[in-house]
Amino acid sequence: KAGVTQTPRYLIKTRGQQVTLSCSPISGHRSVSWYQQTPGQGLQFLFEYFSETQRNKGNFPGRFSGRQFSNSRSEMNVSTLELGDSALYLCASSLAQGSYEQYFGPGTRLTVT
Amino acid sequence: DQQVKQNSPSLSVQEGRISILNCDYTNSMFDYFLWYKKYPAEGPTFLISISSIKDKNEDGRFTVFLNKSAKHLSLHIVPSQPGDSAVYFCAASHRRDDKIIFGKGTRLHILP
Repeated sequence: KAGVTQTPRYLIKTRGQQVTLSCSPISGHRSVSWYQQTPGQGLQFLFEYFSETQRNKGNFPGRFSGRQFSNSRSEMNVSTLELGDSALYLCASSLAQGSYEQYFGPGTRLTVT
Repeated sequence: DQQVKQNSPSLSVQEGRISILNCDYTNSMFDYFLWYKKYPAEGPTFLISISSIKDKNEDGRFTVFLNKSAKHLSLHIVPSQPGDSAVYFCAASHRRDDKIIFGKGTRLHILP
């Protein structure tokens, strides 16, 4: 079974731009969660989608948004990028909503200059 | 406010010895705890978990101990092997909102 895939793997953007990251979950997994990883804050939960609906949200500003499609693929969007948004963005999929056993993708490394 | 704390950013252990990674939490509502392992350029992979109704869970070389009164858990790796060199994340969750809260991670170096 193919693992979680994320595209692109690396991205460089400038302040003020917006960015869209994509995540394809493991086949059959219906829940997708997004996390931000930075050296100072570790792994922080952004949001979880299940059946095309956002089920849970972390403490991030409204510039961070996401969506999930009927095939469970998910996208994450960050608008008006700030330098502090530079991070590794990880997507994780699981079979069901709220499942603790999540399978992570390799991440998208976003650099904001 | 760090609800899950891994106070040691790094740890070096001789190959063949025991590695003990520690984790403290502040929220007494947490009822499920997990450990993830992360290699460079890869996402974290699930390692082992424990429910709050247990105080120990074992899987091969990996054992997780939970001390609810101290709000402390630890991951023991015996014996440590070179492939265990990675960053280990402790995580916790509670059924009420299902968010998984991660610690900042501990980098484990296994020395030859």
